[in-house]
Amino acid sequence: SQQGEEDPQALSIQEGENATMNCSYKTSINNLQWYRQNSGRGLVHLILIRSNEREKHSGRLRVTLDTSKKSSSLLITASRAADTASYFCATVSKGFKTIFGAGTRLFVKA
Amino acid sequence: GAVVSQHPSWVICKSGTSVKIECRSLDFQATTMFWYRQFPKQSLMLMATSNEGSKATYEQGVEKDKFLINHASLTLSTLTVTSAHPEDSSFYICSARDPAGTSGRAYTDTQYFGPGTRLTVL
Repeated sequence: SQQGEEDPQALSIQEGENATMNCSYKTSINNLQWYRQNSGRGLVHLILIRSNEREKHSGRLRVTLDTSKKSSSLLITASRAADTASYFCATVSKGFKTIFGAGTRLFVKA
Repeated sequence: GAVVSQHPSWVICKSGTSVKIECRSLDFQATTMFWYRQFPKQSLMLMATSNEGSKATYEQGVEKDKFLINHASLTLSTLTVTSAHPEDSSFYICSARDPAGTSGRAYTDTQYFGPGTRLTVL
């Protein structure tokens, strides 16, 4: 399968709570990126973490990367209703080939 | 961020016709563009890698003769779905890479995605 794995597949939380999504992959990578997609729309790039980095922050987003476990997590703190979307991790490996995870559908209840 | 456009944003066609989708990088030169397909409630699946001036590289299971890709310039790649059938109905998304950093953005190894084209084949 082309896709990496993400869990959970779906997540429903209350506004203000934190949301954590996990991503696992199979091959060696150059970097890993997280994207958001609102229903039926294009992708929005959220954050990029390189293979030699372990943690990255951007606003309410925190991404970790564990290359030994081939896994990454995305934490959204103090979630808002506007964060409702699908979130995808994408691994970029040699030749700039990008493989997307299956995605996590996040629903934030106001 | 850098701008990648797609045209059309949506298209409805009859079964058996061919549909061309354009992907343009508007403010940088993209030697490499990628085409993805996304079915409802699923993730993006890489279809092919489009290299300017050379043949596209297709992923396993993607029919070259059905999905024709032409990357004629550094700012334009086209995907033509030939003899479209209802099972080809999907959301097609392109992305472009700015390897030389001509856009001036910080990352040169980030893909910039187009807004997608929704194809419906009747």
